[in-house]
Amino acid sequence: GAVVSQHPSWVICKSGTSVKIECRSLDFQATTMFWYRQFPKQSLMLMATSNEGSKATYEQGVEKDKFLINHASLTLSTLTVTSAHPEDSSFYICSARDDSSVDEQFFGPGTRLTVL
Amino acid sequence: GEDVEQSLFLSVREGDSSVINCTYTDSSSTYLYWYKQEPGAGLQLLTYIFSNMDMKQDQRLTVLLNKKDKHLSLRIADTQTGDSAIYFCADWSGNTGKLIFGQGTTLQVKP
Repeated sequence: GAVVSQHPSWVICKSGTSVKIECRSLDFQATTMFWYRQFPKQSLMLMATSNEGSKATYEQGVEKDKFLINHASLTLSTLTVTSAHPEDSSFYICSARDDSSVDEQFFGPGTRLTVL
Repeated sequence: GEDVEQSLFLSVREGDSSVINCTYTDSSSTYLYWYKQEPGAGLQLLTYIFSNMDMKQDQRLTVLLNKKDKHLSLRIADTQTGDSAIYFCADWSGNTGKLIFGQGTTLQVKP
């Protein structure tokens, strides 16, 4: 079946550093990927829609200069949290829409970011 | 904007049926999904239903959709302790092409 991986699965960093999270579709092509953020015991909040070869579309209230998204190929999107601060600590989940079956989104296992 | 609402918690005994309810506001809903999330993990797609269907059954899972009332339910038959998780209802808006998630329902299954 369709598999989406994320790397790393967890990361701890110091305040002020930048962290890159990768999202890969392993066995399908995904022109469109999505980045979500989930706080403890809360739902997923869409941060941005990542489109291969073009700029990401950010949701209202999400700082595009802080959360840099690059979707350089049909199987890889990256989210870089720049100058991370403790309030950026969260669970980040990506999903990918299969180009051959746009009805479904497949989710990655998530990345736990802790900023000290 | 579009909204999806779920009850936050459900507790059942092992072997009973569980029914998780969801309401949504989107008039252009195309698909409605149910996802399962175990602690510290991503989302696992359980099932989905096209908006012009009333019901879909998949082994122990039954999805009922009342489009007029914009009400969706997920029934899990013979609930097992391994079914304990958070269940998210999600609406794929035809207008925006985005998934809108409910708050999630924590299902607790007691032995």
